[in-house]
Amino acid sequence: DTAVSQTPKYLVTQMGNDKSIKCEQNLGHDTMYWYKQDSKKFLKIMFSYNNKELIINETVPNRFSPKSPDKAHLNLHINSLELGDSAVYFCASSLGLAGKNIQYFGAGTRLSVL
Amino acid sequence: SQQGEEDPQALSIQEGENATMNCSYKTSINNLQWYRQNSGRGLVHLILIRSNEREKHSGRLRVTLDTSKKSSSLLITASRAADTASYFCATGDYNTDKLIFGTGTRLQVFP
Repeated sequence: DTAVSQTPKYLVTQMGNDKSIKCEQNLGHDTMYWYKQDSKKFLKIMFSYNNKELIINETVPNRFSPKSPDKAHLNLHINSLELGDSAVYFCASSLGLAGKNIQYFGAGTRLSVL
Repeated sequence: SQQGEEDPQALSIQEGENATMNCSYKTSINNLQWYRQNSGRGLVHLILIRSNEREKHSGRLRVTLDTSKKSSSLLITASRAADTASYFCATGDYNTDKLIFGTGTRLQVFP
């Protein structure tokens, strides 16, 4: 069983569209994250949720809205997609907060905005 | 930027050789972690070293940490073609509780 699974794996869409990426973890972790990895492989935290509460919200455009219906799920909705949103988005989870614990990553969603 | 830096950016070696990657960071840390990313895949945790530790081993991996210099190194001994991947250091930031990733080293091991 995949520990952290995210769907879809690939997402190709037009500028201006709205899209969602889903993430689920079956590790019993209480903290989940969204990261963005750009074309130079830089990995940056976007959001973090602990027990369904938002605890990290980096400088991310309002077009990005995370939603955590329960501890095992953290979805990412993106409105009005722009070319610069093209990247690989990774979901991750940990038991406890990021600064002290190991994170487990999903396989990534490669978003291409045309 | 708080992002750490790794060097070299890219490293090519032959199977059987050792590979050393270095990481420098800027903030106070709880721990430092190393992750591996195979092409097109997610990151996989390799090893965690706490701020009060100086050296840690796991199989063919050896990690050192020098908090006075704010630096760490990852040594992979007797490398294999399967070690080909990107390697990232990540620091558990003491003040913000975030995990801050370095810029990564792309390792290519030739058979």
